[in-house]
Amino acid sequence: AQSVAQPEDQVNVAEGNPLTVKCTYSVSGNPYLFWYVQYPNRGLQFLLKYITGDNLVKGSYGFEAEFNKSQTSFHLKKPSALVSDSALYFCAVREDGGSYIPTFGRGTSLIVHP
Amino acid sequence: DAEITQSPRHKITETGRQVTLACHQTWNHNNMFWYRQDLGHGLRLIHYSYGVHDTNKGEVSDGYSVSRSNTEDLPLTLESAASSQTSVYFCASSEGTSATYEQYFGPGTRLTVT
Repeated sequence: AQSVAQPEDQVNVAEGNPLTVKCTYSVSGNPYLFWYVQYPNRGLQFLLKYITGDNLVKGSYGFEAEFNKSQTSFHLKKPSALVSDSALYFCAVREDGGSYIPTFGRGTSLIVHP
Repeated sequence: DAEITQSPRHKITETGRQVTLACHQTWNHNNMFWYRQDLGHGLRLIHYSYGVHDTNKGEVSDGYSVSRSNTEDLPLTLESAASSQTSVYFCASSEGTSATYEQYFGPGTRLTVT
């Protein structure tokens, strides 16, 4: 069975500071990991994914994520936060050889203060 | 550009009425999904389809039905609307050949059952 956890309901960061949104996962085999962002009154938008290869994945809007197999984590990062990054962020996992149904985390609300 | 659309964007209906939410995608994706999003619950899968004439139940399928008569559309029907079905509904699609592909989400339909 696959599962994903986002341990923080909310993350607060000052504009210009680095940000991290945490995600840990559990799968039986190899994971496929995804980050999505949801702005108010909008659908989820794909940010980036890890399939295989380089553990550091770069995505849209300056975001990146680091896959850590030993810690079963896939934390989302950005070197310098913008107020416009304020949104709801979802981590999702699928398992290699599994179904096309991803398991989503509960979401983390990122608030970037001016 | 390819897209995924939902209609209506907002709907108010009365308890006991049948309601159908439309989802249309022009990505030519085989996989389509319906989710509901509620505070405290994140995204919950209602139904999904891997292709024409294929439909499957998700974790919260009671009171909902779908049918897939073509690649582009997956309408969601609430047979007899209940107040517990007040929610924001999202349709999504993804390519059907691998679990490595991300999902594309529609803008959502906000349904209120009075």
